[in-house]
Amino acid sequence: NAGVTQTPKFRVLKTGQSMTLLCAQDMNHEYMYWYRQDPGMGLRLIHYSVGEGTTAKGEVPDGYNVSRLKKQNFLLGLESAAPSQTSVYFCASRKEADYYGYTFGSGTRLTVV
Amino acid sequence: KNEVEQSPQNLTAQEGEFITINCSYSVGISALHWLQQHPGGGIVSLFMLSSGKKKHGRLIATINIQEKHSSLHITASHPRDSAVYICAVLMEYGNKLVFGAGTILRVKS
Repeated sequence: NAGVTQTPKFRVLKTGQSMTLLCAQDMNHEYMYWYRQDPGMGLRLIHYSVGEGTTAKGEVPDGYNVSRLKKQNFLLGLESAAPSQTSVYFCASRKEADYYGYTFGSGTRLTVV
Repeated sequence: KNEVEQSPQNLTAQEGEFITINCSYSVGISALHWLQQHPGGGIVSLFMLSSGKKKHGRLIATINIQEKHSSLHITASHPRDSAVYICAVLMEYGNKLVFGAGTILRVKS
């Protein structure tokens, strides 16, 4: 039972490069979320998805795109990375009817130089 | 002002001490989570509270809905309790999860 798996765990990018972070869950959860965690701040929601083929913007969506082509996967893309996107990224998922049962991944530490 | 405030931001304790971490919020909520994040690790849910008190091993969480305040207590603290403890509230409307900035706890042996 893997839960929520994030890949990669670490990445260093140069300004302007692109990359995709993958979140995979094996719990058949409908809802999936991408957050970023910055020092001194709480986790902030970037984008989320309430089901396969649907995505929506969160609090801080600028500079990111997402896709949910399969129910188990939620991809976060950075088209042109900026130093301000240096952060730790967390994915989370939950069942549609379970407002309390969030499962988090182990995070991806991204540095943009 | 953040909707969820935690105190203290940093806490250092000696092994065996009783620890309290506080969380205050300014919005209507349907539930509150206490989460634990170990260095370099993922986030794990410790408790979900909507009223009263919950206990799991040496951890106790309480919530006062009227005062919009929750506390996480650790009894007989141990170095393995060293982690970041995060309070997160589930908003009453919209089912949005709002996070506190976290409390960095270090327990020294």
